[in-house]
Amino acid sequence: KAGVTQTPRYLIKTRGQQVTLSCSPISGHRSVSWYQQTPGQGLQFLFEYFSETQRNKGNFPGRFSGRQFSNSRSEMNVSTLELGDSALYLCASSFGSKLGSPLHFGNGTRLTVT
Amino acid sequence: DQQVKQNSPSLSVQEGRISILNCDYTNSMFDYFLWYKKYPAEGPTFLISISSIKDKNEDGRFTVFLNKSAKHLSLHIVPSQPGDSAVYFCAARPFDSGGSNYKLTFGKGTLLTVNP
Repeated sequence: KAGVTQTPRYLIKTRGQQVTLSCSPISGHRSVSWYQQTPGQGLQFLFEYFSETQRNKGNFPGRFSGRQFSNSRSEMNVSTLELGDSALYLCASSFGSKLGSPLHFGNGTRLTVT
Repeated sequence: DQQVKQNSPSLSVQEGRISILNCDYTNSMFDYFLWYKKYPAEGPTFLISISSIKDKNEDGRFTVFLNKSAKHLSLHIVPSQPGDSAVYFCAARPFDSGGSNYKLTFGKGTLLTVNP
């Protein structure tokens, strides 16, 4: 069974640009969550999608947005990039049911903003 | 305000000995706790979890203990192996998340090094 796939693995952007990251969840998983990992703040929750609807959102500015498609694949967009957005962006999928299945993470997209 | 704290940034143990990783939390609404392991250049991998209705959960060499009154949990690895060397994250989710594991709050991680 294929794991969570994130593309691209590495990305270099310039301040002010925008970026789109992609995530393909494990087959059958309907919930996709996004996390930002930085050395100073650790892993921080961005948002979670279930059946194409955003179910919850973390404390990030509106420059961070996402969406989920009917096949459960998800994209995350960051507009007007700032230097502080440099981080590892992790996507995680789960069944999203009330039984509480663990999150399965992808290997992340390393974003560097210069 | 850090709701999940891992106060030890690093821990070094000898192969074969016990590794004990600690985690404290402040939010009394947290009712489900997880441990993840992360190797460099890879995403976190789920290790073990515990519900607030239990005080211990065991899976092979890994045991998680939960002390609700102290708002403290720990992960024990016995015996420790060099392949266990990784960053370990403690995570928690609140009761109101409807049973699913989204919106996890993570600690900043502890780097475990197991020396041969």
